[in-house]
Amino acid sequence: DAGVIQSPRHEVTEMGQEVTLRCKPISGHDYLFWYRQTMMRGLELLIYFNNNVPIDDSGMPEDRFSAKMPNASFSTLKIQPSEPRDSAVYFCASSALLSADTQYFGPGTRLTVL
Amino acid sequence: QKEVEQNSGPLSVPEGAIASLNCTYSDRGSQSFFWYRQYSGKSPELIMFIYSNGDKEDGRFTAQLNKASQYVSLLIRDSQPSDSATYLCAVKKDSGYALNFGKGTSLLVTP
Repeated sequence: DAGVIQSPRHEVTEMGQEVTLRCKPISGHDYLFWYRQTMMRGLELLIYFNNNVPIDDSGMPEDRFSAKMPNASFSTLKIQPSEPRDSAVYFCASSALLSADTQYFGPGTRLTVL
Repeated sequence: QKEVEQNSGPLSVPEGAIASLNCTYSDRGSQSFFWYRQYSGKSPELIMFIYSNGDKEDGRFTAQLNKASQYVSLLIRDSQPSDSATYLCAVKKDSGYALNFGKGTSLLVTP
């Protein structure tokens, strides 16, 4: 059974460019989470969805960040325009309704903004 | 002040010893607590969760919770070099499923 899939695994872009990160949750999971991890701030929750609906976006740093979940098997996190301070590893995680406390993390996308 | 605090380490223990990892949290209303393990360059992996005061054991791992002291710990018995990783403590923020993570403690188990 495939785990959480993220793409791309690495992204290098220049300041001001638009960046789109993609996530496919585990099939049948009801919750999807986007996290960002840096040495300075650790692992931070950005936003999470339940049944494709955003529930808590209080961690989204600013309007440059947006997340969508158009269907149960796909989500995107977009940064426009990107800045060097956005450089981080971005993780997607998913969990099932009956065991929502057990989150399964994807491999992450390492983003470098030059 | 970050809501979940952990000593960054590194914590070094010899193989076969007990490793003790600690975490404090600031929100007295927190109800659910989690320990994740993260190997270098990999994603976090859930080891255990605990909801009630006291101890919860799973194999070589024991989670301990003291809500009065706002303290949660993870004990790893018979530590192995393969346990060398960063251990992240997480606390559920409210009735939803958002987690606050500490910055993690780096554990090194030496042969």
